[in-house]
Amino acid sequence: DSGVTQTPKHLITATGQRVTLRCSPRSGDLSVYWYQQSLDQGLQFLIQYYNGEERAKGNILERFSAQQFPDLHSELNLSSLELGDSALYFCASSEPLTGGWYGYTFGSGTRLTVV
Amino acid sequence: SQELEQSPQSLIVQEGKNLTINCTSSKTLYGLYWYKQKYGEGLIFLMMLQKGGEEKSHEKITAKLDEKKQQSSLHITASQPSHAGIYLCGADTNDYKLSFGAGTTVTVRA
Repeated sequence: DSGVTQTPKHLITATGQRVTLRCSPRSGDLSVYWYQQSLDQGLQFLIQYYNGEERAKGNILERFSAQQFPDLHSELNLSSLELGDSALYFCASSEPLTGGWYGYTFGSGTRLTVV
Repeated sequence: SQELEQSPQSLIVQEGKNLTINCTSSKTLYGLYWYKQKYGEGLIFLMMLQKGGEEKSHEKITAKLDEKKQQSSLHITASQPSHAGIYLCGADTNDYKLSFGAGTTVTVRA
């Protein structure tokens, strides 16, 4: 157990639907990152939140949105789902280390299948 | 944005043999992370290299960072079936996120 909790582990849904993925960071970590991993695109950064505020945005589609709540858990909302959205979605949290570095810990992921 | 290229894309090694994976950056590497992933599972942190010339080892895995070449290598000695998986290198970008290479799939044959 990495300390980063993602639910659900698996999700099967139909095209056009909307789903919510949930992530609880490691205790004490203020940052949450979302990544998408598909066979043809590899591990792609979507978005980062730090203490409730959006800090960085990657290749996140407009149909996707995220937020981080006061208790620091985060949700990734995917809407108008398409077959191509089928992927593994990972959440990570980070802790500051000495020298300005960060330690990143990943959750076990949510496997989304759009049918 | 920083691009990381991993080579080889995949490799098959006989159990007991050594293997090396390379990660080359399009920009100056100030630090690099190595992760391992079993297919369809989460990423497991292996090592972080912070300085040029740094070398770290854990059990049979050694990673080095060559700042001048903008490259890091991961070397596994006497491979075992437990070493099979996808190895990913990641680098911190200036905006506080990790960018990853495409990964190297390692298969260990008995």
